[in-house]
Amino acid sequence: NAGVTQTPKFQVLKTGQSMTLQCAQDMNHEYMSWYRQDPGMGLRLIHYSVGAGITDQGEVPNGYNVSRSTTEDFPLRLLSAAPSQTSVYFCASSGRGTGGFEAFFGQGTRLTVV
Amino acid sequence: GEDVEQSLFLSVREGDSSVINCTYTDSSSTYLYWYKQEPGAGLQLLTYIFSNMDMKQDQRLTVLLNKKDKHLSLRIADTQTGDSAIYFCAESLYNFNKFYFGSGTKLNVKP
Repeated sequence: NAGVTQTPKFQVLKTGQSMTLQCAQDMNHEYMSWYRQDPGMGLRLIHYSVGAGITDQGEVPNGYNVSRSTTEDFPLRLLSAAPSQTSVYFCASSGRGTGGFEAFFGQGTRLTVV
Repeated sequence: GEDVEQSLFLSVREGDSSVINCTYTDSSSTYLYWYKQEPGAGLQLLTYIFSNMDMKQDQRLTVLLNKKDKHLSLRIADTQTGDSAIYFCAESLYNFNKFYFGSGTKLNVKP
């Protein structure tokens, strides 16, 4: 997917460990967000940002922190991993495109918490 | 959050047309999107429509929007086995920074 890079692609954590999922975009978009995808539930919004220095909570923010120090980067931190956080995480970047308002997603991070 | 609903499965034969349906609840939706997700992959933006439009066509894809009924559909003409994937409908509201997704429709294309 054009312009949104997520790392790592796979991660296994032990309960209680912390980690940071990285997300970077090169489209100069104002808006970035994090979603988690669980089977049969579509994507649910964790946190989002409308610009550098501004973040807010989505539907399922508990257990996650974010910060946006630059327009390009929007890392997601798991403070103390729990098995309920086993999921696929997607970062999105959105803004005005040539045809309207577009949103692009990264390739996802598959996280397993054991 | 907003409710976006889709049927879970659709099975068609190669060469037929596929129609994937979606309903949404928020009348202030600004853009409505269709994404494709292949196994183990991310979400690929297929097409989107502004809420003041009725229809948008892009090669084999046709999006129809019925604002009165809050119904969105994606028609894939001449469906191919490579179209087998999960298709997500999503809406964004006036502030653009939140997207609400349906649970996805798994399209199975039989040869």
